[in-house]
Amino acid sequence: KNEVEQSPQNLTAQEGEFITINCSYSVGISALHWLQQHPGGGIVSLFMLSSGKKKHGRLIATINIQEKHSSLHITASHPRDSAVYICAVRSLMNYGGSQGNLIFGKGTKLSVKP
Amino acid sequence: DGGITQSPKYLFRKEGQNVTLSCEQNLNHDAMYWYRQDPGQGLRLIYYSQIVNDFQKGDIAEGYSVSREKKESFPLTVTSAQKNPTAFYLCASTKSKNTGELFFGEGSRLTVL
Repeated sequence: KNEVEQSPQNLTAQEGEFITINCSYSVGISALHWLQQHPGGGIVSLFMLSSGKKKHGRLIATINIQEKHSSLHITASHPRDSAVYICAVRSLMNYGGSQGNLIFGKGTKLSVKP
Repeated sequence: DGGITQSPKYLFRKEGQNVTLSCEQNLNHDAMYWYRQDPGQGLRLIYYSQIVNDFQKGDIAEGYSVSREKKESFPLTVTSAQKNPTAFYLCASTKSKNTGELFFGEGSRLTVL
């Protein structure tokens, strides 16, 4: 079982729809990151959060530490939102040879049709 | 503008050759990381460096080597010992190790012919 699970794997939406991407994790964490990977491959950090909720423009990220779950919402989706969205958690335990290294989900591929 | 620059963007290599991927940052970050991305998998850590002249192995360091002679630079060498080197490689940085916002480069796609 992967320590970080994202759902859905793939998502197709019509322009204007409200979108939710989910991330569940099984380890204790100090922070959770939401990242956006463009078709060219570059990755941009959207949010870093350890509790509650953050909003930036049409994007909202929430986290429930007790439930070990986070959601990324996109309101009024647009074709330019088409990308792969990646959830990553900063583990409190040793991972990848060191405490505090990131564990990445496999990503959710979003396609927004005009 | 501050950021991370990776080069080359695309690289083709024959089996048995070593190749070096460049990663330069002007963010004044202490910590730098190299990740490998394969289709259908999450990013996996190859090496990381917390400070100049120091680096540590990640999950999948076998067949790779790095150096950190300058704060700004963290090149990755994919050696001939790496059995399956065809992948997308991403360099990242944070202000200090394992804290703060992540900054990524645009990636380098290596194909072994």
